[in-house]
Amino acid sequence: ETGVTQSPTHLIKTRGQQVTLRCSSQSGHNTVSWYQQALGQGPQFIFQYYREEENGRGNFPPRFSGLQFPNYSSELNVNALELDDSALYLCASSTGGSSTDTQYFGPGTRLTVL
Amino acid sequence: QKEVEQNSGPLSVPEGAIASLNCTYSDRGSQSFFWYRQYSGKSPELIMFIYSNGDKEDGRFTAQLNKASQYVSLLIRDSQPSDSATYLCAVNPPWGSQGNLIFGKGTKLSVKP
Repeated sequence: ETGVTQSPTHLIKTRGQQVTLRCSSQSGHNTVSWYQQALGQGPQFIFQYYREEENGRGNFPPRFSGLQFPNYSSELNVNALELDDSALYLCASSTGGSSTDTQYFGPGTRLTVL
Repeated sequence: QKEVEQNSGPLSVPEGAIASLNCTYSDRGSQSFFWYRQYSGKSPELIMFIYSNGDKEDGRFTAQLNKASQYVSLLIRDSQPSDSATYLCAVNPPWGSQGNLIFGKGTKLSVKP
């Protein structure tokens, strides 16, 4: 167990809807990164939050947005859901500030878009 | 395009053998390298990280890094059926923010009793 928690575990939505996924970072960690993992693929970086500010973004459209709270927990919001958004969404926490920081993953949220 | 390449496998080894997993990366300036293990339906679990050229050992696992060849590998000695999983190689590129990782697609390892 890494101490990173995510909710919900599973979620089913229909195309066009909006979804919010939540992540609580490991104690002492101030950085949260979000990844999308499609079936049979490696995780793809969505964005990272460091001390409540976005600190880097991958190649995802603006309908993917996020937030980090003062307690360093984080949300991932996805608007106008598409079928291809069906994936495992992973949150990873780290201490931040260095390229050598190790990221610890939560259990993930499985999103299915119908 | 920054890339991390892995043989998707499956790699099948008998119990007790050495499993060798390989990974190449395209960005020569990459600084840190990670191996994660992912069981089916679960999230990635960190096995090892390596920053310097050479070998790093942790129990049955050895990570090897050759920056000149842009190559990183993971050796698993005395492989056990419980090692059967997908192994993900991840690289932190120098251009990125402090924590974004680029992952390969993973190599599926099967250890046969």
